[in-house]
Amino acid sequence: NAGVTQTPKFRVLKTGQSMTLLCAQDMNHEYMYWYRQDPGMGLRLIHYSVGEGTTAKGEVPDGYNVSRLKKQNFLLGLESAAPSQTSVYFCASGRGLLDTEAFFGQGTRLTVV
Amino acid sequence: AQTVTQSQPEMSVQEAETVTLSCTYDTSESNYYLFWYKQPPSRQMILVIRQEAYKQQNATENRFSVNFQKAAKSFSLKISDSQLGDTAMYFCAFMKHADNDMRFGAGTRLTVKP
Repeated sequence: NAGVTQTPKFRVLKTGQSMTLLCAQDMNHEYMYWYRQDPGMGLRLIHYSVGEGTTAKGEVPDGYNVSRLKKQNFLLGLESAAPSQTSVYFCASGRGLLDTEAFFGQGTRLTVV
Repeated sequence: AQTVTQSQPEMSVQEAETVTLSCTYDTSESNYYLFWYKQPPSRQMILVIRQEAYKQQNATENRFSVNFQKAAKSFSLKISDSQLGDTAMYFCAFMKHADNDMRFGAGTRLTVKP
């Protein structure tokens, strides 16, 4: 059982480039989340989804877009990368209100130069 | 807005000893959930223990237990019989009931020494 899988694990971008991070879960979870982790700041919620076709903003959504076209996938897009978006990105999924436990992916380290 | 504070950036403990990690939070809510997550060098986030605010009994998972003081808004993690594999970053997290935004503290880096 793979759980939550993030692709890619590492990426280096030049300022202004675009990219998409893919998160896939095989636990049939309704809820999916994208977080970023920065030194000394813990994890902060970027966007989340409560079901297929729905998305919502979290604490730090600016500069990111997301899509949830399929229940098992949650995509995070950076249209024009900036050095401030250098971070480790985590995807998580859960059953939402029925179950407060979130399952995390292994993270993606993104560097914008 | 809810905030979570972990006042100990780094801690160390000798193998087989006990260590307590501190966490405080600020909220006006009465119904919420609290979590401790472990992040080893592999970067995977692993749920260690969780506590529902309406439950007075402190949660326990094997060597891990919490001291939940609702009035003081304190949620500390005690690790007994520390093992080398416990070396990791530990994050305290808060989530309101019927919400989707889990708020994290800045983390405590724990090193278990042989």
